[in-house]
Amino acid sequence: TQLLEQSPQFLSIQEGENLTVYCNSSSVFSSLQWYRQEPGEGPVLLVTVVTGGEVKKLKRLTFQFGDARKDSSLHITAAQPGDTGLYLCAGVSKTTDSWGKFQFGAGTQVVVTP
Amino acid sequence: DSGVTQTPKHLITATGQRVTLRCSPRSGDLSVYWYQQSLDQGLQFLIQYYNGEERAKGNILERFSAQQFPDLHSELNLSSLELGDSALYFCASSVGASDIYEQYFGPGTRLTVT
Repeated sequence: TQLLEQSPQFLSIQEGENLTVYCNSSSVFSSLQWYRQEPGEGPVLLVTVVTGGEVKKLKRLTFQFGDARKDSSLHITAAQPGDTGLYLCAGVSKTTDSWGKFQFGAGTQVVVTP
Repeated sequence: DSGVTQTPKHLITATGQRVTLRCSPRSGDLSVYWYQQSLDQGLQFLIQYYNGEERAKGNILERFSAQQFPDLHSELNLSSLELGDSALYFCASSVGASDIYEQYFGPGTRLTVT
């Protein structure tokens, strides 16, 4: 069972469209991180959100951390083919049996076609 | 380039064998994490070391062990290998031990057990 549930699992859109990826949990996280991974390579950190309700922008990417620090979203405006990749959310839950264990969601595969 | 190096890049071995994967963290980083990524399980946290000491343990099998040396490089030892151990193994490093610190991933070692 994944502690971090990501949706959708797969997203295929045309260049120029917008998209949103969700990361949800029933547990509280002190912070959440978003990564993008390309085939055969290691994940690359995009952003870390720490404060409940926080919104961070990275060019066309907007990241939001839920007020209760249990969920997060990633919104991409005017997607480009270069945005194609596996988007992963990750963090450490504050539940007793998960303390200190870094958890990753299963990921959302995003494909942007020209 | 994240600054994290992993060797070897590819490893092919037979069932029952033992292998050692090596990781050198980014300069200045004290924490090292090991992850296993397979198609059906996603990215799974195995273990974390901080400044030579085990910090957190995830879904690491008893057949697997790791250590971090005084020069901060780390090794992951996998023994009595099974077909199901075939996966990408990633090492990541961060400056501190807490989950709020950003992790930087290496390029991974692809292990194939035949």
